[in-house]
Amino acid sequence: NAGVTQTPKFRILKIGQSMTLQCAQDMNHNYMYWYRQDPGMGLKLIYYSVGAGITDKGEVPNGYNVSRSTTEDFPLRLELAAPSQTSVYFCASEHTGGARNEQFFGPGTRLTVL
Amino acid sequence: AQRVTQPEKLLSVFKGAPVELKCNYSYSGSPELFWYVQYSRQRLQLLLRHISRESIKGFTADLNKGETSFHLKKPFAQEEDSAMYYCALEDNTDKLIFGTGTRLQVFP
Repeated sequence: NAGVTQTPKFRILKIGQSMTLQCAQDMNHNYMYWYRQDPGMGLKLIYYSVGAGITDKGEVPNGYNVSRSTTEDFPLRLELAAPSQTSVYFCASEHTGGARNEQFFGPGTRLTVL
Repeated sequence: AQRVTQPEKLLSVFKGAPVELKCNYSYSGSPELFWYVQYSRQRLQLLLRHISRESIKGFTADLNKGETSFHLKKPFAQEEDSAMYYCALEDNTDKLIFGTGTRLQVFP
């Protein structure tokens, strides 16, 4: 199992550019999450999905969009990049059912917007 | 408001010394709390959860509802314990709220 994979690892964008951060998991987990982590801060939830075709906003969704067409993939889209979106982005997945299970994280994508 | 506070950004100890990483939470109801860890060049991963009452890598964490705390403890720190530690709270919509993290440095 590869677990949770994210691409790219690094990216530099210019203001106003768009891009998609890819996230995939091969554990057949139903829940998936996107977080951002700014320096000295904890992880903030951007969007999450409880299954294919279902997505919902987290704490900091503005400027982002997501889709969940398959169980495996959960891409995060930035339409008009802004310097405030400079951050490290983490994708995570979780198999839930009954008691709370653990979240499995990807390696992260470091994004800089100049 | 639901919140997790980790008051220390950095905690430095020598090998063999006891370690306590502090975590306080704000939550109405019965909280579910977790400790996640990120070792250098590795992914963030679950260390332990309070509901399991487990000891992982010598670490334990006890939920103290009176003090609204979930401090992470280890009696004798090892160099390989050096990492970023995040306390997390499951909120009332089943999502995790993370603290800002504490970097533990264990010197030889």
